[in-house]
Amino acid sequence: DIQMTQSPSSLSASVGDRVTMTCRASQNIAYYLNWYQQKPGKAPELLINAASKLQSGVPSRFSGTGSGTDFTLTISALQPEDFATYYCQQSLTDFPTFGQGTKVEV
Amino acid sequence: VQLRESGPGLVKPSQTLSLTCTVTGDSVHNGGYYWSWIRQHPGLGLEWVGYISHSGNTYYNPSLESRVAISVDTSTNQFSLNLTSVTAADTAVYYCARLTDRSVARPFDSWGQGTLVGVSS
Repeated sequence: DIQMTQSPSSLSASVGDRVTMTCRASQNIAYYLNWYQQKPGKAPELLINAASKLQSGVPSRFSGTGSGTDFTLTISALQPEDFATYYCQQSLTDFPTFGQGTKVEV
Repeated sequence: VQLRESGPGLVKPSQTLSLTCTVTGDSVHNGGYYWSWIRQHPGLGLEWVGYISHSGNTYYNPSLESRVAISVDTSTNQFSLNLTSVTAADTAVYYCARLTDRSVARPFDSWGQGTLVGVSS
């Protein structure tokens, strides 16, 4: 199976900060990488598809880059509603796997 | 599309965990989608359990493959999860989700709200 490693596991930030988190795959997954946001007690929601394609309705302050094994999710100016846990997920194979998450907290 | 999980919130050890996901706003018979189960152990990350295609092809997490079965019922527009011989390690929030083949990187684009299933005697 393809292992997904996210860093950091948590980060502290303030409203307005630029926030960056990374996701690394254990093998080349091209652009088969998705990002999700999960708030406490809620289901994850798809933010970014195929490493960089913003889902409809997702604010433009979110952006994703990368290909191959290294990927980045950036929030350009953190808003109060962005405090959540973010997961990356690879979909190259019929055994999708998730990273362990990055928790963005105050 | 909306998905909603249903089933018992408590299962005894060694018994079978059975959950159903009701889909509205889409048909489980439509091509291009895989109807999925994903679980999340308390306070931890997400673990894919398995999925089924509209044509009935199933794919399972190898770590659960010997105990899991996913089926689809087109007459009720539902799909189901059966997990046998459960232990406390199967205690988790179980989500049903739709994976779409219609987007480049096959994301899970719709999720149910999740249902907490505990395993305890």
